[in-house]
Amino acid sequence: AQSVTQPDIHITVSEGASLELRCNYSYGATPYLFWYVQSPGQGLQLLLKYFSGDTLVQGIKGFEAEFKRSQSSFNLRKPSVHWSDAAEYFCAVGAPGNDMRFGAGTRLTVKP
Amino acid sequence: GAVVSQHPSWVICKSGTSVKIECRSLDFQATTMFWYRQFPKQSLMLMATSNEGSKATYEQGVEKDKFLINHASLTLSTLTVTSAHPEDSSFYICSARATGTIDNEQFFGPGTRLTVL
Repeated sequence: AQSVTQPDIHITVSEGASLELRCNYSYGATPYLFWYVQSPGQGLQLLLKYFSGDTLVQGIKGFEAEFKRSQSSFNLRKPSVHWSDAAEYFCAVGAPGNDMRFGAGTRLTVKP
Repeated sequence: GAVVSQHPSWVICKSGTSVKIECRSLDFQATTMFWYRQFPKQSLMLMATSNEGSKATYEQGVEKDKFLINHASLTLSTLTVTSAHPEDSSFYICSARATGTIDNEQFFGPGTRLTVL
């Protein structure tokens, strides 16, 4: 069965600083991997996804993620964080024909 | 494209009443829709998977008689919380997977906040 671990419950970064949110997955084959962002009281917005090809994936809002098979990781990065990036971030894994499993989420706080 | 709506966006009801939440895919057909529950400051927990025209598949620990799911068309799934109690208060989010998609991407609705008094 697939599972996702987001080791960091809460991260605080200063505006303009770089960001990396960690995500590790467990699955027997190459899964489909996703990063979503959720603002308070809102639904989820897809930032980016990976299911094949180039292991460095570019997403919306300046985010990127790198799939590393050897580390079973799919970390999310942004070179310069904006105050509007403060939100909850979820990593998710899905297998072909199966449902999607979410990590516990990482709450991002951005200091001015 | 790929917009999913939910109605209502929030609802307050008395204990013992039933509440129906609608999930619609507005510009695509969705053979499969998913219902999630999210408690404050927690992740999404999959409740059930509904396929158009067939019975929903419920996750372990989810009471099928309490959370009735109907997926009568390729654009509409409904979740009915029957005899709601305060512990059913939560944020309910649906998602839809487009028919024929190969990458398992789900498109999420904006969620419905249920408060049971």
